[in-house]
Amino acid sequence: GAGVSQSPSNKVTEKGKDVELRCDPISGHTALYWYRQSLGQGLEFLIYFQGNSAPDKSGLPSDRFSAERTGGSVSTLTIQRTQQEDSAVYLCASSSGLAGVPTDTQYFGPGTRLTVL
Amino acid sequence: AQSVTQPDIHITVSEGASLELRCNYSYGATPYLFWYVQSPGQGLQLLLKYFSGDTLVQGIKGFEAEFKRSQSSFNLRKPSVHWSDAAEYFCAVGTYNTDKLIFGTGTRLQVFP
Repeated sequence: GAGVSQSPSNKVTEKGKDVELRCDPISGHTALYWYRQSLGQGLEFLIYFQGNSAPDKSGLPSDRFSAERTGGSVSTLTIQRTQQEDSAVYLCASSSGLAGVPTDTQYFGPGTRLTVL
Repeated sequence: AQSVTQPDIHITVSEGASLELRCNYSYGATPYLFWYVQSPGQGLQLLLKYFSGDTLVQGIKGFEAEFKRSQSSFNLRKPSVHWSDAAEYFCAVGTYNTDKLIFGTGTRLQVFP
């Protein structure tokens, strides 16, 4: 597609349930990032995929959070046993990944707003 | 570790007035610096970025930013604000040996007619 897409746009869930958030990057982009934007906070880096390399998971806040990227394209962020503090907007971004350094522009999707009741 | 500070949480200006949004970073080496804008219900859009060279960087929508190493700053400016500029603005820093960006907490810009 023309840009990064994310689904669903909104998700309301009950505490303790698992959720899956999906990201479709720009076609041909090898780098994919997940960020979390909490109310009144900046964007918090979660995880980064680059091609076939092992992902950089250094930003995941707990072992309840995991992400995978199948076929080097679509990515799914999974949050298990959701807590109220997980409520936030989850943003996905992709870049061409050619440079391998952050000079490469990241293109962001519209985000998924997660509300945990 | 690198960090970004945006000291102004909320700024209000009149349409046609000049604008300066502040950004200070902390990083030991030369940083890569970015400004993104987030309009309501939209994803983030890159306004401009600095890697090296000319310290005054021109971006889209009439924005510019100046890198000042001595002040560890990368302030965003626009000479005349339009009502459509109302949005949240994020400064971010990246470094050579990592591909993730560190974002500031953002500045919300409100524009009055």
